[in-house]
Amino acid sequence: QKEVEQNSGPLSVPEGAIASLNCTYSDRVSQSFFWYRQYSGKSPELIMSIYSNGDKEDGRFTAQLNKASQYVSLLIRDSQPSDSATYLCAFYGGSQGNLIFGKGTKLSVKP
Amino acid sequence: GAGVSQSPSNKVTEKGKDVELRCDPISGHTALYWYRQRLGQGLEFLIYFQGNSAPDKSGLPSDRFSAERTGESVSTLTIQRTQQEDSAVYLCASSSGHLTGELFFGEGSRLTVL
Repeated sequence: QKEVEQNSGPLSVPEGAIASLNCTYSDRVSQSFFWYRQYSGKSPELIMSIYSNGDKEDGRFTAQLNKASQYVSLLIRDSQPSDSATYLCAFYGGSQGNLIFGKGTKLSVKP
Repeated sequence: GAGVSQSPSNKVTEKGKDVELRCDPISGHTALYWYRQRLGQGLEFLIYFQGNSAPDKSGLPSDRFSAERTGESVSTLTIQRTQQEDSAVYLCASSSGHLTGELFFGEGSRLTVL
């Protein structure tokens, strides 16, 4: 069974700090990785995708992928209280080519 | 519609009753997915449709669960003889194609089985 492992948290950081969210996955073949954000009581929304080793930056968000280590991370710079949410890591690894989601890391940004 | 629409948003039912959950995807999206999220848990994949076809139904938790899609649009997830362990939020998502990675989720149907 292919899996995604994430620290469930909660991860608490002060406003303005860098939040670092990590994820490991079990499938060496997967080429596509995604970060979804889920606010409490809401549905997930895609915030980042990454397909190549290295870093990908989008505004305050940076996704990092290391395929050799089967590790993907999300850095949030200048964290804001509005970033408080659960962040789900996902990759294509299901038997039907479906997205497999981790259980998510709950991030709390304190003013 | 502008987004993925799901109904009902909340459903409370008695154990043993059947329930039907509906999903109306974004117009033109060919791929449609059903996930289940229990309280405090991650997303559990149930089934996906490419067009009106579901290539593999093995993700469905038991034979009490079934799903269909018609007109490459609306999908229904039916749970027969509901059990308390079926209580969860059922999320539907659509995308412009399978394997694009960008799933657009509806707000979910919260099912409570008493």
